[in-house]
Amino acid sequence: QSMLTQPPSASGTPGQRVTISCSGSSSNIGSNTVNWYQQVPGTAPKLLISGNNQRPSGVPDRFSGSKSGTSASLAISGLQSEDETDYYCAAWDDSLNVVVFGGGTKLTVL
Amino acid sequence: QLQLQESGPRLVKPSETLSLTCTVSGGSISSSGYYWGWIRQPPGKGLEWIGSIYYSGSTYYNPSLKSRVTISVDTSKKHFSLRLSSVTAADTAVYYCARHITPPVLDTPPFDYWGQGTLVTVSS
Repeated sequence: QSMLTQPPSASGTPGQRVTISCSGSSSNIGSNTVNWYQQVPGTAPKLLISGNNQRPSGVPDRFSGSKSGTSASLAISGLQSEDETDYYCAAWDDSLNVVVFGGGTKLTVL
Repeated sequence: QLQLQESGPRLVKPSETLSLTCTVSGGSISSSGYYWGWIRQPPGKGLEWIGSIYYSGSTYYNPSLKSRVTISVDTSKKHFSLRLSSVTAADTAVYYCARHITPPVLDTPPFDYWGQGTLVTVSS
């Protein structure tokens, strides 16, 4: 039921800046804020970004979020080995009346 | 520190009802402005929001599951519960409970505290 589209994979080298995209529509990203989650396999997701670009307490400022129209992006600067895991975007969909998640992006640190 | 813990049977037979409870500790389940939700993740797949509840009992359900889902809250026991009826193998997943602010219909709820998750397998 993924209504938000993310690339299945992304990669970067240590210290590099990488971005992960999340594409939606006018009824979800175009109308509501986007949240991002980081999930280490076998553990619960962790809220990384809320309200498009707000970092919860404890989230390093290497992580940043942005939104434009019906797309959103998660940027990770100063890439570190521990950033190698899965990332999900989420938004409320006004037409479906449901929280929709992206399919997830597996980030590899080369 | 707020903590959430899922509990319930790990194995459910097809056509039966899946029942899980999420116990909240380190904070009040009745705090104004906080909502309590269920999210699931089939093995190797993405996340799916099941529904949410406010301490007053107001509920919000995923339309695709609404006919089979009931979420309830017991503030005296500091827990909220999920019941999913007529389960099939497609309901096999890790089930998470989580807290969020913002009613789902107003904006995207940020799930800021999560339980560790519990794998429920539907099999005879």
